[in-house]
Amino acid sequence: DAGVTQSPTHLIKTRGQQVTLRCSPKSGHDTVSWYQQALGQGPQFIFQYYEEEERQRGNFPDRFSGHQFPNYSSELNVNALLLGDSALYLCASSSGSLGYNEQFFGPGTRLTVL
Amino acid sequence: AQRVTQPEKLLSVFKGAPVELKCNYSYSGSPELFWYVQYSRQRLQLLLRHISRESIKGFTADLNKGETSFHLKKPFAQEEDSAMYYCALNYNFNKFYFGSGTKLNVKP
Repeated sequence: DAGVTQSPTHLIKTRGQQVTLRCSPKSGHDTVSWYQQALGQGPQFIFQYYEEEERQRGNFPDRFSGHQFPNYSSELNVNALLLGDSALYLCASSSGSLGYNEQFFGPGTRLTVL
Repeated sequence: AQRVTQPEKLLSVFKGAPVELKCNYSYSGSPELFWYVQYSRQRLQLLLRHISRESIKGFTADLNKGETSFHLKKPFAQEEDSAMYYCALNYNFNKFYFGSGTKLNVKP
């Protein structure tokens, strides 16, 4: 099991563009969470998907949207990119609905907005 | 508002010395707290969670509701403990808040 995988590894976009990031959860996991990590900061919770629905959402604008597919993989979409969206985007997967379940993190996608 | 504070950005100790990484939280409900660790060139991974009351790699953390703290402790630091440590709070059923992290540097 490769664990949580994310693609692409790096991405460069310009302001105003749209971007889609992808995540495949660890085998057996059905819950995917997305985080934004700016340089020198801890991960900031964007949202969590479970059973193909957004279950929880952090303090991020509607420009950030997501999707979960029947195979539990997930996408993060960001519209109208701003310079401030430059960050490492982390995906984490876990099993079930219990909040204390361990989250397994992917390696992240580094997004640079010019 | 819910919040997690890790007051130290960097903590340097000598090998064999005790180490304590501080974490304070703000949350009116019943908190679920975690410590995550990121070793150099590795992924963020769970170290321990308060609900398990376990010791992992010699580290322990006790939830103190009176002081709203969840400090991470180890009596004798090892060089391989050098890493970035994040305290995290699960609030409102699966909304997560991570602190800004403490970099632990264990000197030989």
